[in-house]
Amino acid sequence: QAQLQESGPGQVRPSQTLSLTCTVSGGSVSTGDYYWSWVRQSPGKGLEWIGYIFYSGSTYYNPSLKSRLTMSVDTSKDQFSLTLTSVTAADTAVYFCARAAKASYNILTGYYYYMDVWGKGTAVTVSS
Amino acid sequence: DIQMTQFPSTLSASAGDRVTITCRASQTISNCMAWFQQKPGEAPKLLIYDASSLQSGVPSSFSGSGSGTEFTLTIASLQPDDFATYYCQQYYYYPWTFGQGTKVEIK
Repeated sequence: QAQLQESGPGQVRPSQTLSLTCTVSGGSVSTGDYYWSWVRQSPGKGLEWIGYIFYSGSTYYNPSLKSRLTMSVDTSKDQFSLTLTSVTAADTAVYFCARAAKASYNILTGYYYYMDVWGKGTAVTVSS
Repeated sequence: DIQMTQFPSTLSASAGDRVTITCRASQTISNCMAWFQQKPGEAPKLLIYDASSLQSGVPSSFSGSGSGTEFTLTIASLQPDDFATYYCQQYYYYPWTFGQGTKVEIK
């Protein structure tokens, strides 16, 4: 069974860049069966899906974060990463990485995906 | 974005009770609905996907139903380990969105 583990700084200064990495064990990011996602949770906004990346590097970002967000994948290390620029207090949250597996299939749009395996989360505080 | 409205926001129940949580989507999402359980300090845990498919390892006391815009999560007989917060999430439209949560607490 795959396991995911987030890592990164617990505190970031306002206007700086937040970088987080998710390491996958017991599986590989290179399998074409999954997308690799990020979700965050803050008291004020609840659970918010950030976006996902495929092993090929193709991405989909939440439009609310798209202008500040970059995701990348390192297949040699079985890791994927998130970079969020120009952070503010509103970016303070617990950040989770999650694996998204194939769900039902639509002949017009292809597969839908659901998040089945999650990391334990890492708390990030934006503060000077 | 698709708005997911869950109700009730808090539910007080006793062990052994049958409980039902409802989630309504602002637009039809076919059966692209997942339900998660979250306990304090932990990650969300997948219970149900595709509206009614039980995730491997999840007790059969959990069930999901619905399609289109209205969905329910039912716990047939509440166990002590089931007191937690439950979230619905749609994955039909981007961006994926979550409900605001239903806290199931001890009566």
